Amino acid sequence: EADIYQTPRYLVIGTGKKITLECSQTMGHDKMYWYQQDPGMELHLIHYSYGVNSTEKGDLSSESTVSRIRTEHFPLTLESARPSHTSQYLCASSEFGGEGYNEQFFGPGTRLTVL
Amino acid sequence: SQQGEEDPQALSIQEGENATMNCSYKTSINNLQWYRQNSGRGLVHLILIRSNEREKHSGRLRVTLDTSKKSSSLLITASRAADTASYFCATANQAGTALIFGKGTTLSVSS
Repeated sequence: EADIYQTPRYLVIGTGKKITLECSQTMGHDKMYWYQQDPGMELHLIHYSYGVNSTEKGDLSSESTVSRIRTEHFPLTLESARPSHTSQYLCASSEFGGEGYNEQFFGPGTRLTVL
Repeated sequence: SQQGEEDPQALSIQEGENATMNCSYKTSINNLQWYRQNSGRGLVHLILIRSNEREKHSGRLRVTLDTSKKSSSLLITASRAADTASYFCATANQAGTALIFGKGTTLSVSS
C-alpha cells in the first residue's frame, strides 16, 4: 500500500544527543518536505527536496540537516539536540509539479522532547 | 510572513450542525488547498480549489474562493464527532517553492 512512514513516533532524549528522524514513502514521489509544528500552531517548512541529491532549506531556519540519497528516504538529523528543538516534526511528499498544484501526503509525525 | 490565516481560531458545535471556517491570504494564488489534522497526527488533504473556480464540493465539504477578497471558506455540513480536528488552508509561497499553512481552525464537534 502506498504510504508515508515516520519513525519514531515519539522520542524523549537528553540534551546533546545526536538524533535522526526517519521518513520513507512508497509512492515514488520526487518531492519531499520536513515541517516543524509546535502545539496549536502553524506548520513551518524547514527542509525540502526535489529529488535525489537535492536538498534545500525552508522558510524557517533550523539547525537540523537532511539528506536524499534514495527517492523514498528523507531522514532529518540533529547533531546535538537542545530543549529548543522540542516540537513535532512532520514529513510530507508530493508529485513533481508547481507548488500548490499537487496535494501533499503527510506522515504521522514524530513528537520530539529534549530534556 | 504568513500567507494564509484561518478564522475563527476555535469553533465548538453540536453534531448535525454546519461548521464554517474562513481563510484569508495576502498574495495572488494559483490554487488553495484545505487540510485536516487530527490531534497529534499528520495532515490529510481535503480539497484543492483552483483560482478560476468559485466553488467546489466533495461529499459534505463545500469550499468557496473569492480571489477579489483573497479569501476562501470551508463549510462542513451535518457535522459529526469524527470531524473534530484542526483545519488548515494552504497556498504556495511567492517563490513557488513551498506551501504556506495558516495557524488553523480547531473544530470541536460534540455529540
